[in-house]
Amino acid sequence: DAMVIQNPRYQVTQFGKPVTLSCSQTLNHNVMYWYQQKSSQAPKLLFHYYDKDFNNEADTPDNFQSRRPNTSFCFLDIRSPGLGDAAMYLCATSSDEGGTNEKLFFGSGTQLSVL
Amino acid sequence: RKEVEQDPGPFNVPEGATVAFNCTYSNSASQSFFWYRQDCRKEPKLLMSVYSSGNEDGRFTAQLNRASQYISLLIRDSKLSDSATYLCVVNMGGFKTIFGAGTRLFVKA
Repeated sequence: DAMVIQNPRYQVTQFGKPVTLSCSQTLNHNVMYWYQQKSSQAPKLLFHYYDKDFNNEADTPDNFQSRRPNTSFCFLDIRSPGLGDAAMYLCATSSDEGGTNEKLFFGSGTQLSVL
Repeated sequence: RKEVEQDPGPFNVPEGATVAFNCTYSNSASQSFFWYRQDCRKEPKLLMSVYSSGNEDGRFTAQLNRASQYISLLIRDSKLSDSATYLCVVNMGGFKTIFGAGTRLFVKA
């Protein structure tokens, strides 16, 4: 089945130690997103890629970076994780083949803990 | 004002009850609207899209009121398995899709 896959499901890192979360998709969607969701809060959009074009939300800290080497893969890099970065990180995809932004397809998320 | 606002609940209802959630959005130029369901520690999953004419999918009915900038979700004949957080989702234009914080529903036997 076509899907969005995130690895790992759980990630533990140390304060200040760089960490990378990965996302892959078999849907061939041209748009990929990273959301951060803290407990009992809304998923918060960090950035998205439209094909190779990177779009950062204005309030996304510089500590968060992203790479999309090809259509299928997208990475979230946290350069110096702080305790406040502990959260669920959700990768999502969508397609705009119809000319409008359609629904999002989510991966199962990576739960990040910072010690 | 938040871009998408929902009553956080929780809503505690017995099986078989009808329950309604509302959501308001701030951007009048918003184009697409959705309801997602999220179970504890899981990813959001699309429940249904919301169309201007209103739409129904089994026990679930969604309505959109563009003039008042709110959307609603009605669940009839609640099941235990409906217990979850329901997220109101609004596309503000382009690829800016914003989530509400969700409304928690507990359905009890």
